[in-house]
Amino acid sequence: EVQLVQSGAEVKKPGESLRISCKGSGYSFTSYWINWVRQMPGKGLEWMGRIDPIDSYTIYSPSFQGHVTISADKSISTAYLQWSSLKASDTAMYYCARPLDGDYSSWFDPWGQGTLVTVSS
Amino acid sequence: SSELTQDPAVSVALGQTVRITCQGDSLRSYYASWYQQKPGQAPVVVIYGKNNRPSGIPDRFSGSSSGNTASLTITGAQAEDEADYYCNSRDSSGNHWVFGGGTKLTVL
Repeated sequence: EVQLVQSGAEVKKPGESLRISCKGSGYSFTSYWINWVRQMPGKGLEWMGRIDPIDSYTIYSPSFQGHVTISADKSISTAYLQWSSLKASDTAMYYCARPLDGDYSSWFDPWGQGTLVTVSS
Repeated sequence: SSELTQDPAVSVALGQTVRITCQGDSLRSYYASWYQQKPGQAPVVVIYGKNNRPSGIPDRFSGSSSGNTASLTITGAQAEDEADYYCNSRDSSGNHWVFGGGTKLTVL
């Protein structure tokens, strides 16, 4: 079974650092990118960026460039999303997802179960 | 433009047909994919490509596209279809992805 399993919920204070993870299994991890998606409380989905695990080439949404870092360790089939200094506005559910491509199309399947990040003083 | 626009909310009577639309310039180059998200759950793809359903998605879900508009149609809506629906595609550059704002579907 192809699946992405994310790390557990986190509660942090403003200014703290954090790294959350997404482990792929059931497929060749280096054959597919990993994307990260944010969902703020009661809001919609926002694409943050993606990484190619084979060489760690990364593309960010302009909205998130400079605010987060996406990385990967192909030896353990794991992608990461990290912050160096969290803000209250980073409070959200974060999903990883594997993109698949077809003719003039691209879709995300599967998705991780999500990691809830709460930033509060 | 890298935006996808959806109506915030749509309602349908049980057993009737509903269409959820998504507009954006990138849809002239790429098909949209559609995701269903129920409260407390991760999104699940229901339609991708020209009109493809993943295994396990009921055939009452279908997709279509014309110009800059993609549509998700549910023919014979069921109570369990009540959820938020999001469209998604690559942007016009092909390097980024973009989501629509989401449509909350209520089944009456």
